[in-house]
Amino acid sequence: AQRVTQPEKLLSVFKGAPVELKCNYSYSGSPELFWYVQYSRQRLQLLLRHISRESIKGFTADLNKGETSFHLKKPFAQEEDSAMYYCALSHGSGNTGKLIFGQGTTLQVKP
Amino acid sequence: KAGVTQTPRYLIKTRGQQVTLSCSPISGHRSVSWYQQTPGQGLQFLFEYFSETQRNKGNFPGRFSGRQFSNSRSEMNVSTLELGDSALYLCASSSPGLVGPDTQYFGPGTRLTVL
Repeated sequence: AQRVTQPEKLLSVFKGAPVELKCNYSYSGSPELFWYVQYSRQRLQLLLRHISRESIKGFTADLNKGETSFHLKKPFAQEEDSAMYYCALSHGSGNTGKLIFGQGTTLQVKP
Repeated sequence: KAGVTQTPRYLIKTRGQQVTLSCSPISGHRSVSWYQQTPGQGLQFLFEYFSETQRNKGNFPGRFSGRQFSNSRSEMNVSTLELGDSALYLCASSSPGLVGPDTQYFGPGTRLTVL
């Protein structure tokens, strides 16, 4: 079964500290992985997707097929990074509008 | 471009009633997906419509249905409402990308409360 697991409901760090939001997935094919973010009172928005291999707002994520993980990392957290982060999975083949989301992790960056 | 819009933003219904939610995608987007968000279950996929056809379906009962019009606007309907249907319903639109799955752009959601 396709599943995305985010083991931490809440991650609290101090400003300037490194951040790692964990995401593990279960999928039999070649998945496409995404990180979505929801800031307070804003709509859910794409942060990054693994196929782009981009760094957005200092965040990066590497797909590790051996460990079936797609952890989100940032070397130095900022207060404006405080938000809810969702890891999501989509079918790798073709263009489909079905995302399977993890339960989400709230990142709290303290001053 | 204007973002995804959803109407109404808030709804209060009673058990047994039915409800229709509307979603207007970003101009040019032909795919519309619907998700239910609850504190307990998180974000769960309901269904996706592409060019007026249902392309994907999640694991929800038949009380949940949807449709898409020729202008790509979509509606979802929930009949015989239950208390457990109280949730934030999110709509997302996307356009075929060059590589891999489409990026989905989300609306603000419709908050449904069933009393």
